[in-house]
Amino acid sequence: DMKVTQMPRYLIKRMGENVLLECGQDMSHETMYWYRQDPGLGLQLIYISYDVDSNSEGDIPKGYRVSRKKREHFSLILDSAKTNQTSVYFCASSLRGGQSDYTFGSGTRLLVI
Amino acid sequence: KTQVEQSPQSLVVRQGENCVLQCNYSVTPDNHLRWFKQDTGKGLVSLTVLVHENDKTSNGRYSATLDKDAKHSTLHITATLLDDTATYICVVGDRGSALGRLHFGAGTQLIVIP
Repeated sequence: DMKVTQMPRYLIKRMGENVLLECGQDMSHETMYWYRQDPGLGLQLIYISYDVDSNSEGDIPKGYRVSRKKREHFSLILDSAKTNQTSVYFCASSLRGGQSDYTFGSGTRLLVI
Repeated sequence: KTQVEQSPQSLVVRQGENCVLQCNYSVTPDNHLRWFKQDTGKGLVSLTVLVHENDKTSNGRYSATLDKDAKHSTLHITATLLDDTATYICVVGDRGSALGRLHFGAGTQLIVIP
């Protein structure tokens, strides 16, 4: 069953704490993405990864960093979380982007207090 | 600036009725357009992708059209079911490769009532 798995599903952190969101895919997709979804807004791209150790900033990278050491795994790290990083975070993967199919995870709901 | 506008924001229909969701965009270039369905608390699931000028696609009870001249797309859902209750998101891709970006609309929330 082809899927993108995100862990954890729910997370509560205090302001200033470090946060690690993890994402795995079992389709050998080259391209992986981290988005955040806020009420009333479309998904916003945080980072894109074209393959292992080949990462690029998206539209809102400030306050985030990523790590991709294996093709099937892509992590999002928040160093010193801020309250405005409370959001739902989605990971997605695609064979090569563009018109290729995209598979999304179920999201991680992060609350920073 | 929002480059993908969806209307209506929300819609309530009775089970069995048809409905039409609209998407207008200003993304340039507009390589392709996708419609996704997002159930509450879940990820996005692709319904269809439109690529060419005046493309029409059909996926069961879902059908979609694309007018690239007008930068406009519609998603038709026929004979709605309760399980169609979800947010439908229009997404425009600006290139055909991984170097492109996806531009997301905020979605139309569809509620189907018995």
